[in-house]
Amino acid sequence: RKEVEQDPGPFNVPEGATVAFNCTYSNSASQSFFWYRQDCRKEPKLLMSVYSSGNEDGRFTAQLNRASQYISLLIRDSKLSDSATYLCAVTPEAGGTSYGKLTFGQGTILTVHP
Amino acid sequence: EAQVTQNPRYLITVTGKKLTVTCSQNMNHEYMSWYRQDPGLGLRQIYYSMNVEVTDKGDVPEGYKVSRKEKRNFPLILESPSPNQTSLYFCASSLYWGDEAFFGQGTRLTVV
Repeated sequence: RKEVEQDPGPFNVPEGATVAFNCTYSNSASQSFFWYRQDCRKEPKLLMSVYSSGNEDGRFTAQLNRASQYISLLIRDSKLSDSATYLCAVTPEAGGTSYGKLTFGQGTILTVHP
Repeated sequence: EAQVTQNPRYLITVTGKKLTVTCSQNMNHEYMSWYRQDPGLGLRQIYYSMNVEVTDKGDVPEGYKVSRKEKRNFPLILESPSPNQTSLYFCASSLYWGDEAFFGQGTRLTVV
């Protein structure tokens, strides 16, 4: 089983739609979680960190479900400019054998069309 | 401007010819790392460095070397490149491990 897995999509949605991505992780002791956005041929940029209590930034909501070992990203009222690849990233617990690593999912492609 | 700078941005080289991709950050970050990105495989960590003189293998270290002699620089060395190292490479830095990662613009490497 991969350490971090995402549905690669692609997700094709109309403007204004709500879309959700999930990302599962295998290490139950993982401690930091992130969503990054990557535009075509560009570098990834942080979209949001994911906290235990969940967090929201405008149209974007991220949640963590430790019991089921996944994080989610919800995008409401999709815009054309949201078209990108969304990558989740996870760090393991401090002091474990994977201490220092940062593992990314393979990314989910989102295309928002008019 | 706070940034991570990689050079070169594009490189075509031949099998076996040693090359170095430089990475420099001006944010006084402790943590730096290298990734390669291939279609369908996402970003895979090659090496990381928790601080000066502290480096460790990521998930795909074979065929690569790194060094961290100064806090700001973290070069990636391919001693004898092979075609399977053709990829898009990203350097990233964070204030500390577990914090937000800032990425360089990427280096597209082709080994023929």
